[in-house]
Amino acid sequence: SQTIHQWPATLVQPVGSPLSLECTVEGTSNPNLYWYRQAAGRGLQLLFYSVGIGQISSEVPQNLSASRPQDRQFILSSKKLLLSDSGFYLCAWSLEGGQGYFTLGETQYFGPGTRLLVL
Amino acid sequence: GDSVTQMEGPVTLSEEAFLTINCTYTATGYPSLFWYVQYPGEGLQLLLKATKADDKGSNKGFEATYRKETTSFHLEKGSVQVSDSAVYFCALRRDYKLSFGAGTTVTVRA
Repeated sequence: SQTIHQWPATLVQPVGSPLSLECTVEGTSNPNLYWYRQAAGRGLQLLFYSVGIGQISSEVPQNLSASRPQDRQFILSSKKLLLSDSGFYLCAWSLEGGQGYFTLGETQYFGPGTRLLVL
Repeated sequence: GDSVTQMEGPVTLSEEAFLTINCTYTATGYPSLFWYVQYPGEGLQLLLKATKADDKGSNKGFEATYRKETTSFHLEKGSVQVSDSAVYFCALRRDYKLSFGAGTTVTVRA
């Protein structure tokens, strides 16, 4: 069966410090990968998605970047954190028909999340 | 663009009460519709989904029917338990992207 891991679970960082959050998926190949952010009291916002190694699409302009160095590894980074970067970051995966092809109704499965507090 | 609107919470119920959470969407074409649940301190779990009009998704006693004529996907459960206390998110999917509602916090009291 497939599992998705995120770490760390909780992180407190000062403003201006760098960030690296990691997400890995096991039990599947060539998944689509996603980073979402959930701000306090709000729904989820898609930040990045990736259909393959080295292929990253950004949904919203922001202080963050993403990379996919391996098939089942997705990293969210920042060079200098802002207060507004605080939130709950969720990684997700889905299994599609192939690179760039999105299957109608295919489910996205979420990891346990990383709670980030920037002070 | 696509959007999802959920009834605002919080919702507080007694055990065995009937729960309904309204969800309406705005989208062109035929998106897929989902309900996700987030238990305290955890990530999101898929609760149920429907991929075409008139489909009914169901799981753990929860049901929702994809109504294209009213652009709705209301979540219902006939008899809630304390363990159903969570935040519920309605979402639609087009291509790669899930668009979420703001979430509805449900608290069930014994």
